[in-house]
Formats: sequence, C-alpha cells, structure tokens
Amino acid sequence: DIQMTQSPSSLSASVGDRVTITCRASQTIRNYLNWYQLKPGKAPKLLIYTASSLQSGVPSRFSGSGSGTDFTLTISTLQPEDFATYYCQQTYTSPGYTFGQGTKLEIK
Amino acid sequence: EVQLVESGGGLVQPGGSLRLSCAASGFTFSSYDMHWVRQATGKSLEWVSTIGTAGDTYYSDSVKGRFTISRENAKNSLYLQMNSLRAGDTAVYFCARMSFDFLIGYMDVWGKGTTVTVSS
Repeated sequence: DIQMTQSPSSLSASVGDRVTITCRASQTIRNYLNWYQLKPGKAPKLLIYTASSLQSGVPSRFSGSGSGTDFTLTISTLQPEDFATYYCQQTYTSPGYTFGQGTKLEIK
Repeated sequence: EVQLVESGGGLVQPGGSLRLSCAASGFTFSSYDMHWVRQATGKSLEWVSTIGTAGDTYYSDSVKGRFTISRENAKNSLYLQMNSLRAGDTAVYFCARMSFDFLIGYMDVWGKGTTVTVSS
C-alpha cells in the first residue's frame, strides 16, 4: 500500500499569513494527488486535484504543486474561513485510495 | 444543486448490522463511480468501498466480507450494508462521487456524513 505522510500534523498561523503543507508518498504517484478541506459537521471539500488544478469555486489563494512523491498545498493569504483540517489523497492505486494523516490549521 | 445526503447511521451493538443510504441529486448518478469513506474521531479519512458504474465493487481489507456496497440508479441511491459490526467501525461515514481528469480520479462531491456508533 502507498503511504501518505503529511507535515506538519498541526500548524498555528494568523490571518494574512502564507501557509504551506507538505505531503510525501511512499512511492511515486505521478500527479495522482488531491487535497481536501474538512470542517466539523460539513461535507469535505475538494480544493486541488491532479496535484495542481484548482477545483471550480475554490479561491485562488489555494494552490498545489509537486509530482512524483513530494507535493505541497499553499494558502497564500490566510482567511478566517481557512482554519480547518487538510488532507492529501492519492488515487494512483485504484481502488484503495489512501489519505494523509491530516494537518490541522489553527488560529494563532 | 449537486448534492449527496447520507442517512441510516445510529447506535448498534457489536455484531449487529446497519444499512447506510446516500441520496444523490443534481447530476446523472448512474454515470459516476461512488465511494464510501469514513473518519473515526481524531483519525484520518479512510477509504471503505467503491462501486463502479458497471456495478463492480471494491472493499478495504478492514471491511471485506462484512460490508456490501450497492447502488440503485433508478432511485439515485447508494447503499452500504454493514454486518458483523465492531467497535473499530465507529466513525462518520461519508459518500462521495468520483470524477476523472483523464485517468486521474478525485472525489469532487461529498455528503455531510452519517454517524455510526458500535457499542454495547
């Protein structure tokens, strides 16, 4: 199974900060990498697919990059509504998609 | 509006059964692979099961032989029959739609989830 490792597991930041979350795959997954945002009681939200494509309706302050084994999610200017938990997911092995362990983004 | 709404969660004793449902609206349900994903409290997301448009089914090792995924396209509905439930199955269960960019899949529509608690 492909393991997905996110770092950091938690992060404190302030509104207006630039934030980067990383995700590393245990083997190459090319660009089969997606990012999701989770908030309690809400439906998970797709932010980025195929490593760098912005999902329709997602603000442009979110961006993704990477290929192979190393990927990043960047939020350029944190907004209050961005405090949430973020997960990466690989869909290279189908099915059996695996998620990272999550990064909880908290207000400093 | 494209939407998925889960139902059927609840409290069940170990060894018991539960059937989850997911009602889809706003899109051509029969054209999409559908998934169940769960999240236990304080844990990450875990893929549980997939059903393809042709009815092909796939399961994680942790639920294989105990859970059955199915779909009823005429009713725009997805189901998860869960038998022999264990404490470790306690989680919020989400249904999700999968779309593809060429061959690369991504779950672009999710429900809010339904909570399953397995406890005596």
